[in-house]
Amino acid sequence: GENVEQHPSTLSVQEGDSAVIKCTYSDSASNYFPWYKQELGKRPQLIIDIRSNVGEKKDQRIAVTLNKTAKHFSLHITETQPEDSAVYFCAAPGGFQKLVFGTGTRLLVSP
Amino acid sequence: GAGVSQSPSNKVTEKGKDVELRCDPISGHTALYWYRQSLGQGLEFLIYFQGNSAPDKSGLPSDRFSAERTGGSVSTLTIQRTQQEDSAVYLCASSSNLRGLHNEQFFGPGTRLTVL
Repeated sequence: GENVEQHPSTLSVQEGDSAVIKCTYSDSASNYFPWYKQELGKRPQLIIDIRSNVGEKKDQRIAVTLNKTAKHFSLHITETQPEDSAVYFCAAPGGFQKLVFGTGTRLLVSP
Repeated sequence: GAGVSQSPSNKVTEKGKDVELRCDPISGHTALYWYRQSLGQGLEFLIYFQGNSAPDKSGLPSDRFSAERTGGSVSTLTIQRTQQEDSAVYLCASSSNLRGLHNEQFFGPGTRLTVL
């Protein structure tokens, strides 16, 4: 089955810096890669996703890149703000309509 | 429209008791998922329902865990003879099945289970 690894487990940046979180997956047939953000005490929410027919997708300050050859994808957050502080989870398909989540990255943005 | 709802929001029980957790998915969503999230940990997949198909139970940690989805809507996760290691937040999510593609999973607020 699919195996998703996520790094780093924690990431501390200064406000205004960029943050990058990386994930690798094992199933070369995987074709959908979402990122979820979970603020403290809240439910996870989708922030961006990418399908394997594109290599990069942007939405304002966040972007996701996909390298299918290397089987890895990354979340990029530019001009970080304190409200970006949260736990971020990557995921990849683990079967029809089923996702396997990474272990999460705790991002702390200091003012 | 209404999002995914779960009840109760908090449940404290004694070791050995049975508990039932409820999930109301978004209307029209055919897929429903249960996850477990221990303190500070990731999302552990438990079980997945898709329409009228047999559920994918591959993530259930033991036979003390079971789930039902009645009428293709509401789901109940049951934990029998609870143990202290069952303490966690239990999250439910639902998604549509548009075009047969992977679609966004919408999560409920979770049920925080504490087993004393």
